[in-house]
Amino acid sequence: GIQVEQSPPDLILQEGANSTLRCNFSDSVNNLQWFHQNPWGQLINLFYIPSGTKQNGRLSATTVATERYSLLYISSSQTTDSGVYFCAVERMDSSYKLIFGSGTRLLVRP
Amino acid sequence: NAGVTQTPKFQVLKTGQSMTLQCAQDMNHNSMYWYRQDPGMGLRLIYYSASEGTTDKGEVPNGYNVSRLNKREFSLRLESAAPSQTSVYFCASPQYNEQFFGPGTRLTVL
Repeated sequence: GIQVEQSPPDLILQEGANSTLRCNFSDSVNNLQWFHQNPWGQLINLFYIPSGTKQNGRLSATTVATERYSLLYISSSQTTDSGVYFCAVERMDSSYKLIFGSGTRLLVRP
Repeated sequence: NAGVTQTPKFQVLKTGQSMTLQCAQDMNHNSMYWYRQDPGMGLRLIYYSASEGTTDKGEVPNGYNVSRLNKREFSLRLESAAPSQTSVYFCASPQYNEQFFGPGTRLTVL
């Protein structure tokens, strides 16, 4: 099956710093999404980005489908950005069955 | 508009006991999903329902059954709980490439 690898597994930042999270996937995909799980466990959709670049405030994401990777950029990080960031992909032959990576755990210190 | 709701929030079972996790959505979406999240891992799909009256297996369906009771409700049943089913269970309902997650049920099987 398709493999989804995220790096780094853990990241500690000082408030105000920038960071880049990476997601590599092993096969062609229909769909790629980024999610944030806050420290209370709630999961929030950040981006639907099977290809190209999108921006939403301090967050932006880029997917290069031909090279099978996606990047999530966090600029001017805030303590509220803490939590786990997941990348998830849907195989080409799948009907919206998302395969999740194991996540990047981010801690932003004040 | 509550989005996706799940009950209960917490549950402790003994090995061999049965229980049903309830999920409801008030967004009039067709699809609903059940995931489990184990410590340090991403979510894994247990079962999904693309529309009322249909259900399909995901990555890890063994030991579970589901019922799509109507368009709003999708329940997950553990007939004979095992310690390996200790996990956090999330219900989700996607629409237009955005996933809406419930708050989760934390289940411990002793």
